[in-house]
Formats: sequence, C-alpha cells, structure tokens
Amino acid sequence: EAGVVQSPRYKIIEKKQPVAFWCNPISGHNTLYWYLQNLGQGPELLIRYENEEAVDDSQLPKDRFSAERLKGVDSTLKIQPAELGDSAVYLCASSTRQGRTGELFFGEGSRLTVL
Amino acid sequence: DQQVKQNSPSLSVQEGRISILNCDYTNSMFDYFLWYKKYPAEGPTFLISISSIKDKNEDGRFTVFLNKSAKHLSLHIVPSQPGDSAVYFCAASAYSQGAQKLVFGQGTRLTINP
Repeated sequence: EAGVVQSPRYKIIEKKQPVAFWCNPISGHNTLYWYLQNLGQGPELLIRYENEEAVDDSQLPKDRFSAERLKGVDSTLKIQPAELGDSAVYLCASSTRQGRTGELFFGEGSRLTVL
Repeated sequence: DQQVKQNSPSLSVQEGRISILNCDYTNSMFDYFLWYKKYPAEGPTFLISISSIKDKNEDGRFTVFLNKSAKHLSLHIVPSQPGDSAVYFCAASAYSQGAQKLVFGQGTRLTINP
C-alpha cells in the first residue's frame, strides 16, 4: 500500500514569492491534515479536511495561506506571499474516520526555506 | 498555552539499557495518547498508543504508561537498540468536529550509544 506522498521535498524561494505544496493521501483515507513543523517543535495543525470540506482551519493564517481539496483526494497548500518566518517543514497526513484513536499517517514533508 | 509538554529535549542511553521518555499534558479531555517516532528527513510514524481508560499498554520492547491523576505519560523502551535513535513525539487526542484532533509535544531526541 502506497503511503502519503508529498511534493516537492525541498523548496527554496525568496520572500514575497508564492509557493505551493501538493499531497496525495493514502487511498481510502477521507481525512487529510496539513501540519506545520518548526525546527525543534512538534507538528502543529493548520487545516483538516473531511473529504473535500475544510472542517477545522482555525490555525490557518488566512491572509497568506490557502488550501484546497477539490475532489476529496489530493490537496494543495499555498502560501502567497511567503515570509521569512514561513521557513519550516509542511507535513501532510491522512487517516480514516474510523480511526478513533487518532493514528495519523504522515508523508515525508516538504521543507521550505524562505530567503 | 502548551497543552502537551516534553520537558527533555534530548536523552542519551546506552545500548541494551532502558530508555524512558516523559510527557505531561494539561487537558483532561484528551482520550487517547500516542507516541510517534521520527527519523531525519522522514515524516513521523506511529509507534504506540494508549486509551485514557487504561494505565499501561505494551507492544514488544515498547510500553506506554499513563498516570491520569498526574496527567503524565511515559514511554519505556527496553532493551534500547541503536535503531531506536530518533526524535520521539508525544501526542494527545480529543474527539472534535467528527474526528480525533491531535496535539503534539515538542519532541525528545533519543540517542542510543553502542
């Protein structure tokens, strides 16, 4: 079974430029998450999707961040414009709604460096 | 406000000995607690979990203990092996808006010395 796939793995951009990250969750997983991980910190939730609906986006900085999951499968996270403080690893994860324990399956992450 | 705290940023243990990683939480609404393991340049992977109605869960070399009155949990690895060297994240889960919402600690970097 294929895991959660993210791209790109690494991205270096200058501040004020846009950037987008893509995620393909595990087949059959209805729930998709985007997490932000700063250096030396644990992952922090940005947004959670149930199928194509964003059900928890309270931590997403909506002035510059946007996300979509149009067909309830793949998802894209966009930052426009990027700031120096956005340098971090962006993790995508997925789970089934039946997973009441909270076990998530993470991708390898997309490491963003803003210069 | 940090709801899940791992106060030890790093831990070094001799191979073959016991590794004990600690985690404290503040929210009594959490109903599951999980440990994730992360190698460099990889995403976190699930290791072991425990329900809030239990005080111990064991899986091979890994045992998680939960002390609800102290709002404290710990992960024991015995015997420790070099491949256990990684960053370990404690996470707590509460059911919200139709799904489990995870809150992670800051992580503890475990190094197993040969």
